Amino acid sequence: AQTVTQSQPEMSVQEAETVTLSCTYDTSENNYYLFWYKQPPSRQMILVIRQEAYKQQNATENRFSVNFQKAAKSFSLKISDSQLGDTAMYFCAFSEAGNMLTFGGGTRLMVKP
Amino acid sequence: EAGVVQSPRYKIIEKKQPVAFWCNPISGHNTLYWYLQNLGQGPELLIRYENEEAVDDSQLPKDRFSAERLKGVDSTLKIQPAELGDSAVYLCASSVGLAGVHEQYFGPGTRLTVT
Repeated sequence: AQTVTQSQPEMSVQEAETVTLSCTYDTSENNYYLFWYKQPPSRQMILVIRQEAYKQQNATENRFSVNFQKAAKSFSLKISDSQLGDTAMYFCAFSEAGNMLTFGGGTRLMVKP
Repeated sequence: EAGVVQSPRYKIIEKKQPVAFWCNPISGHNTLYWYLQNLGQGPELLIRYENEEAVDDSQLPKDRFSAERLKGVDSTLKIQPAELGDSAVYLCASSVGLAGVHEQYFGPGTRLTVT
């Protein structure tokens, strides 16, 4: 069974600074997908960024980028120029194609003015 | 485009009572998911539908939980009877096709409190 571990229950960052959220996963598969989801206090989960394991290039979406280390089974999220609206729970998730999403326990990020 | 709709948003019931949650996925999304999210934790899959067929319900506690997706569109998740430990947020999500390959869109969830 796949497992996803987020070792940082809580993080804080000053507005406009950069923060990195950690995620590790365990799988014996070679082809899979990794995701970061954001869940603001309103509770609706929103996809932040997605990485396909067969792609070596790290995914980027505006201020959000990932550091995907396949051999180390590590998938960290970097948020640049943090904004107050980035305050939320962040969940790392794993999926094999055609299979369910497995989520980590989440990291609560607080952006301070 | 309308998102995933869930109702009610909040529900408070006494233990041993029945409760039902409703989900309307995004139009054209064949795959529908129900997740359970305990406070401070990540969501856990309860059941996944491909059209009207439940293709993954291994995590659904079938002694008290049931779900249906009539005509492959709306879905209802039911708990009967509810227990104190069922207090959680129940999330519905939908996607165009295969999980992982296609993005899952989540609804706002239903927060259940069992007293």
